[in-house]
Amino acid sequence: KNEVEQSPQNLTAQEGEFITINCSYSVGISALHWLQQHPGGGIVSLFMLSSGKKKHGRLIATINIQEKHSSLHITASHPRDSAVYICAVRFGNEKLTFGTGTRLTIIP
Amino acid sequence: SQTIHQWPATLVQPVGSPLSLECTVEGTSNPNLYWYRQAAGRGLQLLFYSVGIGQISSEVPQNLSASRPQDRQFILSSKKLLLSDSGFYLCACTGQMTAYEQYFGPGTRLTVT
Repeated sequence: KNEVEQSPQNLTAQEGEFITINCSYSVGISALHWLQQHPGGGIVSLFMLSSGKKKHGRLIATINIQEKHSSLHITASHPRDSAVYICAVRFGNEKLTFGTGTRLTIIP
Repeated sequence: SQTIHQWPATLVQPVGSPLSLECTVEGTSNPNLYWYRQAAGRGLQLLFYSVGIGQISSEVPQNLSASRPQDRQFILSSKKLLLSDSGFYLCACTGQMTAYEQYFGPGTRLTVT
């Protein structure tokens, strides 16, 4: 069965802390997405990975194909980073399978 | 780059009433289009996807239907809404440069009362 698991489900941290959100999947994939959903509901695609590492500003996403695992890191976290972060994977076809999301709250 | 428009942004409808949510895409041609639903406190669930005009695949049995009358228009409909249809509905499309990129619309929050 194609499954995606995220951890933690909820994460609260102080402003400035280094944040790590994890995503594991069950079988080989063709691509993995990290998405950000703000309280209003809108979703923004942060990264799409098939191997290695990508960086955009304070956000870093890594993927280990052998371990079937990806991490999203946020450096120097800020209250505006508060959102739900969703991992989604494509198991070789056009459709995405989504994790249940990690709710991140950054306290000033 | 792609831009996805959805309307309305919010909608409150009584049980048994019809539904029509519209999604249009700009900046690409012949995209794959998707309708997702996110129920309160739940993850995203794929409802329908379309690889071309008039071509609709349904992922889950339900009282919703989808249509694609034009290349960049995707419509989600229901003849009679149920309470369980409440949720946040997102339209998405795949990118022009690679079919693996996916872009999301702003969403419609539907409350069925």
